[in-house]
Amino acid sequence: GNSVTQMEGPVTLSEEAFLTINCTYTATGYPSLFWYVQYPGEGLQLLLKATKADDKGSNKGFEATYRKETTSFHLEKGSVQVSDSAVYFCARNSGYSTLTFGKGTMLLVSP
Amino acid sequence: EAQVTQNPRYLITVTGKKLTVTCSQNMNHEYMSWYRQDPGLGLRQIYYSMNVEVTDKGDVPEGYKVSRKEKRNFPLILESPSPNQTSLYFCASKEGGMSTGELFFGEGSRLTVL
Repeated sequence: GNSVTQMEGPVTLSEEAFLTINCTYTATGYPSLFWYVQYPGEGLQLLLKATKADDKGSNKGFEATYRKETTSFHLEKGSVQVSDSAVYFCARNSGYSTLTFGKGTMLLVSP
Repeated sequence: EAQVTQNPRYLITVTGKKLTVTCSQNMNHEYMSWYRQDPGLGLRQIYYSMNVEVTDKGDVPEGYKVSRKEKRNFPLILESPSPNQTSLYFCASKEGGMSTGELFFGEGSRLTVL
């Protein structure tokens, strides 16, 4: 079936450090890939997406590249801020509208 | 303002007492969905609806019911809640017919079943 696997957290970093959160997906079909972010006490919101192989999604300094050869969609940011502390979810679409989410990775950034 | 609104945001109830969590969206979205979020398990889909009067089971539908009588509303019904349904619930919506479209989430409803 369709699934998404993310690295377990929490990921703890100091401000201005480089961030990578790994995500791999099952290679069924030609999925679109997403990263969603959940700030404390809130619902999820779309961070970025990529719809085909080699596409790069970017937003708020975050980037992820759709790598078909490695079935990966790793999230990166060059310099994290305290305000980036949140839970990050990788997702792929499964069926026309449904999304399958990974288990989420908590990011904690300290000053 | 475009939004998905859930009520109640917090609820403590007892085993077997029927409850409904309401969800309403003001974006004229065809697609709506319910998820539950549990530690270590991430988000799991309970039910979804592609349009009015069309609903389908997600990955964890047992113990839940839904209805879609109007486009804007998608209530989640727990006929006889049990402690294993203690969870954080999210309603979400998106435009139908767009597999790459953004899913908009409500702020969540935290349910505790004693």
